[in-house]
Formats: sequence, C-alpha cells, structure tokens
Amino acid sequence: QSALTQPPSASGSPGQSVTISCTGTSSDVGGSKYVSWYQQHPGKAPKLMIYEVSKRPSGVPDRFSGSKSGNTASLTVSGLQAEDEADYYCSSYAASNNLDVFGTGTKVTVL
Amino acid sequence: EVQLVESGGGLVKPGGSLRLSCAASGFTFSNAWMSWVRQAPGKGLEWVGRIKSKTDGGTTDHAAPVKGRFSITRDDSKNTLYLQMNSLKSEDTAMYYCTTDGWSWGQGTLVTVSS
Repeated sequence: QSALTQPPSASGSPGQSVTISCTGTSSDVGGSKYVSWYQQHPGKAPKLMIYEVSKRPSGVPDRFSGSKSGNTASLTVSGLQAEDEADYYCSSYAASNNLDVFGTGTKVTVL
Repeated sequence: EVQLVESGGGLVKPGGSLRLSCAASGFTFSNAWMSWVRQAPGKGLEWVGRIKSKTDGGTTDHAAPVKGRFSITRDDSKNTLYLQMNSLKSEDTAMYYCTTDGWSWGQGTLVTVSS
C-alpha cells in the first residue's frame, strides 16, 4: 500500500483559505468513504479534523471542510488563523485489503 | 473523558523484541476498534495495524512492513491494547501511538532500535 500523495507545503495569510490535496487510487481514496484528515502540531499527537470525507467531529471549527472527487480528497481551511499552522495528514481505508494508509503530510504555514 | 496511555517503549537492539501496552479509559473499550500508528523521527504518520472488537470478529490487519513481525492483541478485561514487536529493525525506530481508530490518540511511546 503506497502512501497517499500530498503537497509538502501550503501557506496563506491570516483570514485567507488554503486547500490541501490528497491523491490516491481507486483502491483507496477513490473507492472509500472512509477518508480522514488529521492535524498535528510539533511534539503533539495527531487530532482528527475530518472523517468520512466531509464530516467534522464535535469541537472542530466549521472553518475546516473536506471533499472528494475521484481519487483525490481535499481539505480546505478557511479564515486561516495562527493556530492552524501545523502538519496535516490524510488517511484512507482500502477495502480491497482492509488496510489503512496515510498521506505524505503537508506543512501549513500561516504567513 | 477518553484517555489512552502508552507504555513499554525504550531502547532495543536490532533483532530484539518489545511489547507496547496502551491502557484505555473513559469509553467502552471492548466495543472499540483499536489501531497503532507510528511516526519515525521527523517523518510522517504510518499506519501499523488494527484490531476489531470481539463482537466484530476480533480480527487483526497489519501493514506490509510489519506483517509477520508485529502482532496486535487486546485484553478487554484489562482495557488494554498490546503491540508485540519481534525481529526489530532500525527502521522500526519511531514514536508509537495507540488510537481508537483515529478518533482519540495517546501521547505515544518512543521505540529506538539501535546497537
């Protein structure tokens, strides 16, 4: 199972929006409703931000939204805030082999 | 409040073994699917494997790099998840996190494989 492909970095000014892509295959992202996004600050454990492509857990601001088209999932952070500066990882369940796979990770910088 | 506390990490020589534990509280552990995820120093997240709840069969799945060397088990009477790691390699050096299949995470335990 190869890692899902994410851009290494993304950036935006406070108040702007940033969108991160996560590209897989029809065996994982394209064929799964179980696509998640995680936020990780340095030295901290990951935090679930989006599950099942576009659902937000309780407590996650609605500035965070997820979507999917074909084999690519996307995370959009609107109204960027300083505390959004972190690493973001996507993950997908692959029904073909019951395995999960993470993305390569994207470092988001708030300028 | 959900709490996951990993333990058992440390320094081990290549070829050695280690067993990690994850003590869970604040939720019905026996109903939860549990996973291990690792992160090598300065690198990204890597899924290690999962164990389903016994009511869903209790089966396990492991990522290719650890299949045959690592084994995930659970003791529902102790609310504890385990990761038995054998034939350790230097590339297994990482922070190991237990997670309720992504929803809640522990703070991790560091495993270093080095001679």
